[in-house]
Amino acid sequence: AQSVSQHNHHVILSEAASLELGCNYSYGGTVNLFWYVQYPGQHLQLLLKYFSGDPLVKGIKGFEAEFIKSKFSFNLRKPSVQWSDTAEYFCAVNAREAGNMLTFGGGTRLMVKP
Amino acid sequence: DAGVTQSPTHLIKTRGQQVTLRCSPKSGHDTVSWYQQALGQGPQFIFQYYEEEERQRGNFPDRFSGHQFPNYSSELNVNALLLGDSALYLCASSSPGGLQETQYFGPGTRLLVL
Repeated sequence: AQSVSQHNHHVILSEAASLELGCNYSYGGTVNLFWYVQYPGQHLQLLLKYFSGDPLVKGIKGFEAEFIKSKFSFNLRKPSVQWSDTAEYFCAVNAREAGNMLTFGGGTRLMVKP
Repeated sequence: DAGVTQSPTHLIKTRGQQVTLRCSPKSGHDTVSWYQQALGQGPQFIFQYYEEEERQRGNFPDRFSGHQFPNYSSELNVNALLLGDSALYLCASSSPGGLQETQYFGPGTRLLVL
């Protein structure tokens, strides 16, 4: 069974700092990869997704993620965070041979200080 | 274009009771998945419905059951509630994308079991 690890549980940054959130998964087959964000009081929203092709994926609000197959990683990055990026971020994996279920990491809570 | 909707938003039950949660998928979507999100954790897959059948199930006991209606809406039923069932229950909808399916989440129903 696949599993997803997000090693940073809490991250605190100042505005304009760069962000990188780690995501590693364990599954040897083909995967689809997702980052979702949950802003305070709001529902889970899709930030970006990777199915195939260019391993560098661009999403909404200036976020991007890079799929490194050899490292089983899909780290989320943003060059300059804003206070409005304060939220909880979830990495999720769908192992294609295992159907359409998503396996989520435990989440990273990001706080951006103004 | 309405997104995924869920009802009720909050619910309080006592141990041993039964609960029914409801979900209407995003317009154009015919597949519904249910997830349980305990406090401080990532969502965990319960099951997925497609064409009114349970297509895939996660590691949840038979106390958790579901149904999908011809209009693609869905219900999640939990019998014999336990204190540990207290969580945010998320519904996600998608349209069949073969190997490239994206799930969109509703706001959730927060269930408290006393």
